[in-house]
Amino acid sequence: QSALTQPASVSGSPGQSITISCTGTSSDVGGYNYVSWYQQHPGKARKLIIYDVSSRPSGVSNRFSGSKSGNTASLTISGLQAEDEADYYCGSYTSSSTLVFGGGTKLTVL
Amino acid sequence: QVQLVESGGGVVQPGRSLRLSCAASGFTFSSYGMHWVRQAPGKGLEWVAIIWYDGDIKKYADSVKGRFTISRDNSKNTLYLQMNSLRVEDTAVYSCARGGAYCSGGSCYNFDYWGQGTLVAVSS
Repeated sequence: QSALTQPASVSGSPGQSITISCTGTSSDVGGYNYVSWYQQHPGKARKLIIYDVSSRPSGVSNRFSGSKSGNTASLTISGLQAEDEADYYCGSYTSSSTLVFGGGTKLTVL
Repeated sequence: QVQLVESGGGVVQPGRSLRLSCAASGFTFSSYGMHWVRQAPGKGLEWVAIIWYDGDIKKYADSVKGRFTISRDNSKNTLYLQMNSLRVEDTAVYSCARGGAYCSGGSCYNFDYWGQGTLVAVSS
């Protein structure tokens, strides 16, 4: 199972919106509404920020939103804040009943 | 509060074995599917394995199938990963993560809590 494709890095200024894409195949992203997104700050526990494509866990800011079109899922962060600077990973359920992650995207807040 | 604490990592030679543990607290362990996820130094995340809440179903990544075994002891609130025939490419920080409660299918694969991980270094 090949890793999902994410951009290696994205950047934005405070207050702006950014979108991180996550591209897979019809055997994973395109075939199921089970895409999740995780935020990873250095040295801190990973945090689930989006699950089931577009659902937000309790306590996660509504500045984070998820969507999907075909084989590509997207994470959008609006009203960018300095604390959003982190690594972001997407994950998708697969037709083999396994999970595949994306390669990760480093978000820089300028 | 939910806590997941991994242990058992270390330096091991290629071909040898190691068993990791993940001690869970703060929730009803026996109700949740559990996962192992690894991250090689400077690399991204790689899902390793899942075990259903009752231990009946286990799934593995192709890269570890036949070498690694996931198991759990619900009486001890502990998750395990037995790693045999270790390879240099298995070097990574291994983390346990909580999946869904009494879930089936894709809903089991959302990880809402993660441990900090334990480092496994495979080197001669």
